[in-house]
Amino acid sequence: AQSVTQLGSHVSVSEGALVLLRCNYSSSVPPYLFWYVQYPNQGLQLLLKYTSAATLVKGINGFEAEFKKSETSFHLTKPSAHMSDAAEYFCAVRLNSGYSTLTFGKGTMLLVSP
Amino acid sequence: EAGVTQSPTHLIKTRGQQATLRCSPISGHTSVYWYQQALGLGLQFLLWYDEGEERNRGNFPPRFSGRQFPNYSSELNVNALELEDSALYLCASSPSTGAHGYTFGSGTRLTVV
Repeated sequence: AQSVTQLGSHVSVSEGALVLLRCNYSSSVPPYLFWYVQYPNQGLQLLLKYTSAATLVKGINGFEAEFKKSETSFHLTKPSAHMSDAAEYFCAVRLNSGYSTLTFGKGTMLLVSP
Repeated sequence: EAGVTQSPTHLIKTRGQQATLRCSPISGHTSVYWYQQALGLGLQFLLWYDEGEERNRGNFPPRFSGRQFPNYSSELNVNALELEDSALYLCASSPSTGAHGYTFGSGTRLTVV
């Protein structure tokens, strides 16, 4: 079984500030982990993924995430927020086995103020 | 390269009717996934098709069904529509098992009145 918990349904930052979106997972076997972004009235776009290679993963638009097995976490960060980063972000987990599918967290809305 | 395409973009149905949603995957992708995104409930997994077979099913009643065609396109059928079926339905595709993530379409907004 697998599950994902995203802490904070809304996160507000100022433009230029650090972005930190938290994700903790539960998985019975080694997981694959993903971050997706959803802009209003659109589908989900893959930001980055961890598939058991390097634990620090760099994605698009300056985002990165670090897989920490001891903390069962996969937090998303960006050093400096931009107004265009305002969107909803979803963390997802997939078991590295069989007929597993992506299980998503409930999402975190990132608000960026000038 | 064309992405995942879904049709229609919007659909309005009356309670008790049937709705049919369609999805065309990225060329070369054999797997298609359906998710429901209802307000406040996040993304809920509905169905996974690969090579024409149903591989996995989420915790939804049988009135949610679908199929995958030989060209790997897929349709989702929702029978006996209920008001709570109103949601954004997202289709995604991947090569085979999708271990490296899915590519999503823009969704079909279903409104049941």
